[in-house]
Order: sequence, then structure tokens, then C-alpha cells
Amino acid sequence: GAVVSQHPSRVICKSGTSVKIECRSLDFQATTMFWYRQFPKQSLMLMATSNEGSKATYEQGVEKDKFLINHASLTLSTLTVTSAHPEDSSFYICSASPGTGTNTEAFFGQGTRLTVV
Amino acid sequence: AQSVTQLGSHVSVSEGALVLLRCNYSSSVPPYLFWYVQYPNQGLQLLLKYTTGATLVKGINGFEAEFKKSETSFHLTKPSAHMSDAAEYFCAVRLYGNNRLAFGKGNQVVVIP
Repeated sequence: GAVVSQHPSRVICKSGTSVKIECRSLDFQATTMFWYRQFPKQSLMLMATSNEGSKATYEQGVEKDKFLINHASLTLSTLTVTSAHPEDSSFYICSASPGTGTNTEAFFGQGTRLTVV
Repeated sequence: AQSVTQLGSHVSVSEGALVLLRCNYSSSVPPYLFWYVQYPNQGLQLLLKYTTGATLVKGINGFEAEFKKSETSFHLTKPSAHMSDAAEYFCAVRLYGNNRLAFGKGNQVVVIP
């Protein structure tokens, strides 16, 4: 199956700093990438959808200036958490899809555990 | 809007017993439905999916699910639980018109020896 690599798997940062998370599709071109956030013992909440070469579409309630998403190429999307606070601590998961059709599967990265201290 | 409901956050099952995880969906259009498994601190792995065609779908690791339109359900089953089945399981529906997914709250499966 297709492989999506997410890096880093774990990161600890100080409050007020920014941290970047990378999501790469290793063996296919990802037209669309998705960023999810997962709180402990809870489900995944879609944060935003990014299409290569265009601005990301954020879900309601997600601060676009706080969570910067860049999808500069067909194999790489990045999520930057700016001015991180302890409440941003969470598990962030990306997924990538090789197409936009409704029968196109999305493949998930391994996730990134962010801890803000 | 499409959504899925998973009841019972924690499910305990004895090793060798039937695993049954319930998922009900709401959708105004024919849904695309998925079951994913998540192991601790890892991403999601697709177990199986229903798009069109045969309503009984077989997936990996011995899991299967049946799409029942009349009941708006897509329950996941496995005849005999194995210790390695202990994980979190999510049901998801694809949102109409794109390939974003809406997830249920998940079921934490515990397998008792």
C-alpha cells in the first residue's frame, strides 16, 4: 500500500515557540492532504484540507494563523503550530490522497505527539 | 451532514470470542464507509471499506463488516478475538463531494486472556 511518512513522531517544545510537522507521501503524488488533531481518548478532528499549490481550507473553529499549513509540492505538506501553548499539546495526524475522486483512498501518517511545556 | 455514531467507548472481549463493534451512520446520499484501527501512538490503518457493490466486506486481520442500508449500519465483526486485536477502532464516513472523513468517537477494545 501507499506510504505516508510523518516527522517528527514526537516533539517537545517550549511555550511561545513554533514547531513544524512534516507529512510526506513516499510513493505517490498527493493531490490532497488532510490534517487531524486527536485529543487523548477521543476521536480525530479534521483541522484542515490542503491542496497542492493552493491555500488550505480550515474547518470551523480552527485558527488559520495559529496552525499554518503549506502544501508546496505534491509529496509534502507541513503544519506549523505557531506560538505554541500547553493547550496545543495533542496528537496530530496527517493523511494524503492521490486524487480527489470519491473512491480515492486516504493514507495516514504515523502521527506526531506534540508536548508544549 | 454525514456523521457516524459508535456506542460504548470501551469494549472488553475474551480471547477467542466474537468481536462486535457497532457503527451507525447518517447520510443523505449513498455513503462510503470505513473502519480503521489505531495502535498506541500510531496513525490509522485501514481495516476495510464499503463503497459500492457487495454489502459484506472482508478486511485485513480477519475482520469483516456488513453494510445494511435499511438499518443505516456498518458493524464490524471478527469471529475469534486475538490478543493482538487490542487497539482503538474508528468508524468513518466520507463526506459527500470530497474525500474528507468524519470519524466516530472510537471503541477501545480490550482482549481478556
